[in-house]
Amino acid sequence: GENVEQHPSTLSVQEGDSAVIKCTYSDSASNYFPWYKQELGKGPQLIIDIRSNVGEKKDQRIAVTLNKTAKHFSLHITETQPEDSAVYFCATGGFKTIFGAGTRLFVKA
Amino acid sequence: NAGVMQNPRHLVRRRGQEARLRCSPMKGHSHVYWYRQLPEEGLKFMVYLQKENIIDESGMPKERFSAEFPKEGPSILRIQQVVRGDSAAYFCASSLHSLENTGELFFGEGSRLTVL
Repeated sequence: GENVEQHPSTLSVQEGDSAVIKCTYSDSASNYFPWYKQELGKGPQLIIDIRSNVGEKKDQRIAVTLNKTAKHFSLHITETQPEDSAVYFCATGGFKTIFGAGTRLFVKA
Repeated sequence: NAGVMQNPRHLVRRRGQEARLRCSPMKGHSHVYWYRQLPEEGLKFMVYLQKENIIDESGMPKERFSAEFPKEGPSILRIQQVVRGDSAAYFCASSLHSLENTGELFFGEGSRLTVL
């Protein structure tokens, strides 16, 4: 079945450093790739998304890249801040949105 | 504009009891999705509903679990004869349009079920 693998499962960075989270997917028909941030005790919230006709998208300190040939996509957070600490999920879109297992990001002040 | 509302936020049940989780989608949204999240894991799709219709329930266990989204009122996820393995956070999401291959899901804050 469809699968999304996400790495690393845990990431610890110093405030101000960059953080990169990588995902691979199995369904070559996927064409929408959202990223969600989940804070403790809350539901996931969309932070950025990318569609298959675009290779890169940036929104302030957050960027996402997509390589459809290799079926890879990545989230890049620059100048990390303590409030970026959360669990981040990649996903492939559709009514059965398939989520990766999540990356727990710790940003140390 | 209120977001997706779920209740109860926390529910404790003993083995064999029933759990009912409710979800009111965002105003104007007619597409509802239920996901289950086990501790330290990602979200697993359970079921997709539109008003009065189940569109896809391929992620929902065939026994003890059921879902509905009536013409009036919230969507309900019902778990009968709960077992310890049902302990999880259950998230509801809604969308304005059918997602097909694109589109944002708006999530509620989840209902955390604990089975003793």
